[in-house]
Amino acid sequence: GDSVTQMEGPVTLSEEACLTINCTYTATGYPSLFWYVQYPGEGLQLLLKATKADDKGSNKGFEATYRKETTSFHLEKGSVQVSDSAVYFCALSDPTPGGSYIPTFGRGTSLIVHP
Amino acid sequence: DAGVTQSPTHLIKTRGQQVTLRCSPKSGHDTVSWYQQALGQGPQFIFQYYEEEERQRGNFPDRFSGHQFPNYSSELNVNALLLGDSALYLCASSSTGTSLRKQYFGPGTRLTVT
Repeated sequence: GDSVTQMEGPVTLSEEACLTINCTYTATGYPSLFWYVQYPGEGLQLLLKATKADDKGSNKGFEATYRKETTSFHLEKGSVQVSDSAVYFCALSDPTPGGSYIPTFGRGTSLIVHP
Repeated sequence: DAGVTQSPTHLIKTRGQQVTLRCSPKSGHDTVSWYQQALGQGPQFIFQYYEEEERQRGNFPDRFSGHQFPNYSSELNVNALLLGDSALYLCASSSTGTSLRKQYFGPGTRLTVT
């Protein structure tokens, strides 16, 4: 079945450092790929997505490229801020026979950014 | 435009009891999905409701049941609670009219079973 593997955290960085959170996936079809962010005490928010190979999703300075050849979707940001501290989830979504999309999530990677 | 809302925010129950959690989807959305997020884990899909019927179900026992109302709001019921049911329960809504791939999540209900 489908699965998502993320690097374990926590990832601890100083403000303005570069960020990379690795994500690889296993899927039978051609899934859409997502990054969600969860701030403390809140639900998940969609951060960015890519729906086909070589697509680049981007939002709020974050970006990730759908790499079919390496089955990866690594999250990157050139300069992190304290406000980026959160848990980041990589997810994939394949269409089901019924036409719905049920995402499969990774375990999450906690990011802590110090001033 | 209100997003996805869930109630209650927190809940404490005893083993063996039953619990009902509620979710109101984002305006214009007709599909509601429920997820269980254990501490330190990613969300696990429980089931999805559309047109008042369960359309898809994850690997959860029959103790977990749900309902969707004509106004698209939804309930998650858990019977015979176990300690292992302690988790954050997330509701997500989406629209068959736009993109089911884009789900909007509520803030969750934190359930503690003692």
